[in-house]
Amino acid sequence: NAGVTQTPKFRILKIGQSMTLQCTQDMNHNYMYWYRQDPGMGLKLIYYSVGAGITDKGEVPNGYNVSRSTTEDFPLRLELAAPSQTSVYFCASTETGISGANVLTFGAGSRLTVL
Amino acid sequence: EDKVVQSPLSLVVHEGDTVTLNCSYEVTNFRSLLWYKQEKKAPTFLFMLTSSGIEKKSGRLSSILDKKELFSILNITATQTGDSAVYLCAGMRSGSARQLTFGSGTQLTVLP
Repeated sequence: NAGVTQTPKFRILKIGQSMTLQCTQDMNHNYMYWYRQDPGMGLKLIYYSVGAGITDKGEVPNGYNVSRSTTEDFPLRLELAAPSQTSVYFCASTETGISGANVLTFGAGSRLTVL
Repeated sequence: EDKVVQSPLSLVVHEGDTVTLNCSYEVTNFRSLLWYKQEKKAPTFLFMLTSSGIEKKSGRLSSILDKKELFSILNITATQTGDSAVYLCAGMRSGSARQLTFGSGTQLTVLP
């Protein structure tokens, strides 16, 4: 039972390059989220998905895109990397519980540096 | 826009001390307040509080929610060096998306 798996763990990009952060969960969770965490700050929601084929913007979506073609996968795409996107990115998922609980299971994080 | 504010931003104590971390929130259609512990990696879940005035406890950690005054506190008694971490609180909206808005965190350092 791997939980939430993110790749890569570390990446350095040049300004203007593109890349995709991969996120896979094996818990059959419907809800998936992408957060970014800047140094000394809390987590800010980039995009989220409530099920396959459904995605929506969070608090800071500019410069990012997502897709959700399967329940398991929720990749985050950076099209034109900018220094402001230097951050640690966390993918998370949660099940659809009738209690309404939202105890997120987080991936280990991906540290991205844009130079 | 939802807002969660934590205080203090950082705290340095010695082993055995008791600490209180604060979290105030303004969350539209508020449902629950969650506490997480983050030790240089992904946050791990501590508590979820939905009802006002009911204390949740786990070992030396406890937390309570005041929905009238819109705040929560996290208490840690008899602190240990292993409690050193960033403590995050997050407000959750009602609704299908169950979005969380996180505070900036409190950096707790426990010295031996």
